[in-house]
Amino acid sequence: AQSVTQLDSQVPVFEEAPVELRCNYSSSVSVYLFWYVQYPNQGLQLLLKYLSGSTLVKGINGFEAEFNKSQTSFHLRKPSVHISDTAEYFCAVRRDTGTASKLTFGTGTRLQVTL
Amino acid sequence: NAGVMQNPRHLVRRRGQEARLRCSPVKGHSHVYWYRQLPEEGLKFMVYLQKENIIDESGMPKERFSAEFPKEGPSILRIQQVVRGDSAAYFCASSPILDSGEQFFGPGTRLTVL
Repeated sequence: AQSVTQLDSQVPVFEEAPVELRCNYSSSVSVYLFWYVQYPNQGLQLLLKYLSGSTLVKGINGFEAEFNKSQTSFHLRKPSVHISDTAEYFCAVRRDTGTASKLTFGTGTRLQVTL
Repeated sequence: NAGVMQNPRHLVRRRGQEARLRCSPVKGHSHVYWYRQLPEEGLKFMVYLQKENIIDESGMPKERFSAEFPKEGPSILRIQQVVRGDSAAYFCASSPILDSGEQFFGPGTRLTVL
């Protein structure tokens, strides 16, 4: 089984400041890793994913994440946030078996960007 | 290209009634997943289906909940005799036959039980 821990439930940050949203996972098998964003009353949109290859993954809207296998982490970063980045961010994992399977989500981090 | 469609977007039921939630996956996707998001919580997996088959229902409550994905038509998540604790947002996701890793999510159905 897999589990995901998002250590921060809320992260307040000023516009144009850098931000890091933390994600740690636990799994007995290899995993794929994802970050999704959810705007109020909307569905989830994929920001980025790690399947294999380079451990630094670049996504949409200027976000990037780094897979660290030894620390079982997949932290999300953005060097300069915008007001429009205010949303809920979810880290998720699924097992890497080559066949489709369920996603296991963290409890989410609410990013609040202010002027 | 249309993404994952869910309807209704909002559904209000009284305790004891039935709720039917519909999900049309991305065209050509044969895998459907249902997740539930309780207020102030993350998404929890409920069930994974392929056409006419339930692949993984490890997250489905044992009673009152059922899901299907028929050969023709949308996937249906059915909740019988709803209770207030069923109030949540229910999200459907789909993925293609060839595993790309990603699941594509619909906008969700927000169920309110009075």
